[in-house]
Amino acid sequence: DTEVTQTPKHLVMGMTNKKSLKCEQHMGHRAMYWYKQKAKKPPELMFVYSYEKLSINESVPSRFSPECPNSSLLNLHLHALQPEDSALYLCASSQDESFREQYFGPGTRLTVT
Amino acid sequence: GEDVEQSLFLSVREGDSSVINCTYTDSSSTYLYWYKQEPGAGLQLLTYIFSNMDMKQDQRLTVLLNKKDKHLSLRIADTQTGDSAIYFCAVVSGGSYIPTFGRGTSLIVHP
Repeated sequence: DTEVTQTPKHLVMGMTNKKSLKCEQHMGHRAMYWYKQKAKKPPELMFVYSYEKLSINESVPSRFSPECPNSSLLNLHLHALQPEDSALYLCASSQDESFREQYFGPGTRLTVT
Repeated sequence: GEDVEQSLFLSVREGDSSVINCTYTDSSSTYLYWYKQEPGAGLQLLTYIFSNMDMKQDQRLTVLLNKKDKHLSLRIADTQTGDSAIYFCAVVSGGSYIPTFGRGTSLIVHP
């Protein structure tokens, strides 16, 4: 199984809502990543978890809160987002945090109204 | 920091070869990646090359690295309509593992 799954596929939320994005992999990978991708732009790294510990936070605003409950699951908790946070949120995983051979999920398309 | 440049569009006929180019600025690059992104999908790693290699071939894909000119290319032989997608070049350099992405090249394949 070389798949990374993400739910939901689409999410519309208001600026006062709290929601969560979920990512799952069963490849035994020990590193998991969150990226944000705006239309017609490359993905931007947000967070890296290695062995279930947060190892990189690319100065992401605190309204985005990552969580890694176990080695297969990665969540991104969202609270008080702004319309400019609307984007495609991609999860990825790799054997370790060297970024080599990352497998990406299909993404969650987030719209903040 | 690293700067990675790609042309934004490439249009080819089905059956022709496509060559997507990428230039970068940091000569201490270590790993160089090519990703493919189809509409509405995540990124798919196509191939990567170490900086001590000049060429890597994988079926229809050929990667060429010119370290002197800091130029990376991806050649797709016998391009098919299913190859239509955005192709991102990404470079890792210096002491960091974090890749710097180019803006992506949109490949359009005409029948």
